[in-house]
Amino acid sequence: EVQLVESGGGLVKPGGSLRLSCAASGFTFSDFWMTWVRQAPGKGLEWIGTIKSEIAGATTYYAAPVKDRFTISRDDSKDTLYLQMNSLKTDDTALYYCTTAPREGYWGQGTLVTVSS
Amino acid sequence: SYVLSQPPSVSVAPGKTASIPCGGNNIGRKSVHWHQQKPGQAPVLVIYYDTDRPSGIPERFSGSNSGNTATLTISRVEAGDEADYYCHVWDDSSDHYVFGSGTKVTVL
Repeated sequence: EVQLVESGGGLVKPGGSLRLSCAASGFTFSDFWMTWVRQAPGKGLEWIGTIKSEIAGATTYYAAPVKDRFTISRDDSKDTLYLQMNSLKTDDTALYYCTTAPREGYWGQGTLVTVSS
Repeated sequence: SYVLSQPPSVSVAPGKTASIPCGGNNIGRKSVHWHQQKPGQAPVLVIYYDTDRPSGIPERFSGSNSGNTATLTISRVEAGDEADYYCHVWDDSSDHYVFGSGTKVTVL
């Protein structure tokens, strides 16, 4: 059974940091480009960034609102995707999903990040 | 940056056909993917690369893409199709993924 399980969310103060993880199972994680998507309360889906597979160079791409604050990485030996979030702002409050979409379209259930003083 | 435009809502009677447009400059030259999201749930991919359906997605779901508009079509709409639908593309010029703003489908 394919699973993507996000973890690491929580309450953090503005300016703080948080690292999210996405543990994959049931498919060959190393073959896939992986993407983080977030959804603020009551809002639509927002692309945060994508990391290519290692064989494709593990190149990373970021949306403008998070560029230079967020870093995506992967550890194929652990089948895990990471999102390091620094200098967090209240606008970063959202449910954060990892996904393989569009390839196969696997999505996790999300982890909630709340940025508030 | 590349922008995808979707109507906020579409209403359709059970058994009828719902068409959900996604507008973008020359979107016909891009590959469009569609995600369904029901309240409180994670998104589900329903169409990828314009017209392909993942396994488990009913044949009632189909996609098309030409010119400046891609369309998700849901035939013989059922109450369970009520959800938000998002189009999604990769923009080569910016190396960014882009999501549309989403369309809420209401089954009357």
